[in-house]
Amino acid sequence: DAGITQSPRHKVTETGTPVTLRCHQTENHRYMYWYRQDPGHGLRLIHYSYGVKDTDKGEVSDGYSVSRSKTEDFLLTLESATSSQTSVYFCAISESSTPEAFFGQGTRLTVV
Amino acid sequence: DQQVKQNSPSLSVQEGRISILNCDYTNSMFDYFLWYKKYPAEGPTFLISISSIKDKNEDGRFTVFLNKSAKHLSLHIVPSQPGDSAVYFCAANPRTGRRALTFGSGTRLQVQP
Repeated sequence: DAGITQSPRHKVTETGTPVTLRCHQTENHRYMYWYRQDPGHGLRLIHYSYGVKDTDKGEVSDGYSVSRSKTEDFLLTLESATSSQTSVYFCAISESSTPEAFFGQGTRLTVV
Repeated sequence: DQQVKQNSPSLSVQEGRISILNCDYTNSMFDYFLWYKKYPAEGPTFLISISSIKDKNEDGRFTVFLNKSAKHLSLHIVPSQPGDSAVYFCAANPRTGRRALTFGSGTRLQVQP
């Protein structure tokens, strides 16, 4: 398994509260991604990073922000959580040389 | 607008038979295609891939076929085993622009013993 750790693995939070999910890698891969998985939608890209401090939006970025201050860490922040952000969130990493991405175990977030 | 489509939400096959999972795409800029397998409560795991310069790639029981003119790819699993029961996602990577995979909605495969 690629060295990817997501934390927390499960979280329940209230509407309107801020939430930060963490992705930590030990592979020194350049690219890091945050996806969300919802029934009927597969995996949708929220944000991705192509280097330290270099990030870009994905297809479902509204309501989310990210930061990457170190190669190994990629943080996803929900500034004010909403029920529509209840989902399973996956972090992924990839090298520059190949498109294959390797995924973490996921974080199940419930917004009540 | 889904650029990668998996039109069959589920598929059931008997153990030992062939499983065929299908995927269609609309973006002609995609040049690399991948299949991922996902078990419940786990992250997706990479299974097999194919470059747009090829029309077939084989790895053990798994074969991916690419038909560029039809913008269609398929994953064949022969013979199917109960442990293959999972959700399978098709994904595509573009030649230029945003370097990130676009996924289909997945097909749940159930292999009956």
